[in-house]
Amino acid sequence: NAGVTQTPKFRVLKTGQSMTLLCAQDMNHEYMYWYRQDPGMGLRLIHYSVGEGTTAKGEVPDGYNVSRLKKQNFLLGLESAAPSQTSVYFCASSYRGARSTEAFFGQGTRLTVV
Amino acid sequence: EDQVTQSPEALRLQEGESSSLNCSYTVSGLRGLFWYRQDPGKGPEFLFTLYSAGEEKEKERLKATLTKKESFLHITAPKPEDSATYLCAVQALNRGSNYKLTFGKGTLLTVNP
Repeated sequence: NAGVTQTPKFRVLKTGQSMTLLCAQDMNHEYMYWYRQDPGMGLRLIHYSVGEGTTAKGEVPDGYNVSRLKKQNFLLGLESAAPSQTSVYFCASSYRGARSTEAFFGQGTRLTVV
Repeated sequence: EDQVTQSPEALRLQEGESSSLNCSYTVSGLRGLFWYRQDPGKGPEFLFTLYSAGEEKEKERLKATLTKKESFLHITAPKPEDSATYLCAVQALNRGSNYKLTFGKGTLLTVNP
C-alpha cells in the first residue's frame, strides 16, 4: 500500500503566487488533516476533514483553503503565498473508530516562499 | 486548551545508555496519547497509542507508559539507529474535536556509537 502520498515534495514560490498541494490516501480513511511544521513550533493543524465534502478550520487556517471532493483526496490551497507560509506541510489521515486511532502521515512538502 | 510539553528538547546518549523522554499533557479528557518517531526529511511514523493511566506498551527497545498527567518513553540500551525526533500528541474527549491531535515540540534524540 502507498499509504498517504503528497505531491509535490518540494516547491519554491514567489510572494503572491498561488499553488495547490495534493494529498491522496488509499486506506479508505474518513478523517484527513493538513499540518505545518516549523522549527521550534512543532506540528500545527491547519485544516481538517471528517468526511467527503466537509472541511473545518484548525489551529492556523489563515491564508489557506481546502477541499475534499473525493474521500481519498484532500487539497490544500494557497491563494496568495507569503514568506510566513514557508514551512514543511504534512498531510495525515486516520479512520473513525470507537477508540482513538493513530494518524498516518505523508512524507511532507517543503515549501519556500521568496 | 489542550497542551503538550516534551522534555528535554534534545538528548544525547552513548550507545547502550538507557534513558527516558517525558511528555506532560493538559487535556480536558484524554481520548488517547500517541508517540511518533520522525526521521529528518520524513513524516512522523506511529509508535504507540496509550488510552488510560497505568497502561504500558513495548516495541523492541522502546517502552511507553502513561499516568494521568504525563507519559514516558523509555529507551533501553539504545542504538545509533534510534536517533530521531520523538513526538508526543494527545487527542481529547471533546465532542467537537475528538479526532484532532495536539502535538508537543518533540525531543531530538542522538545516540552516539
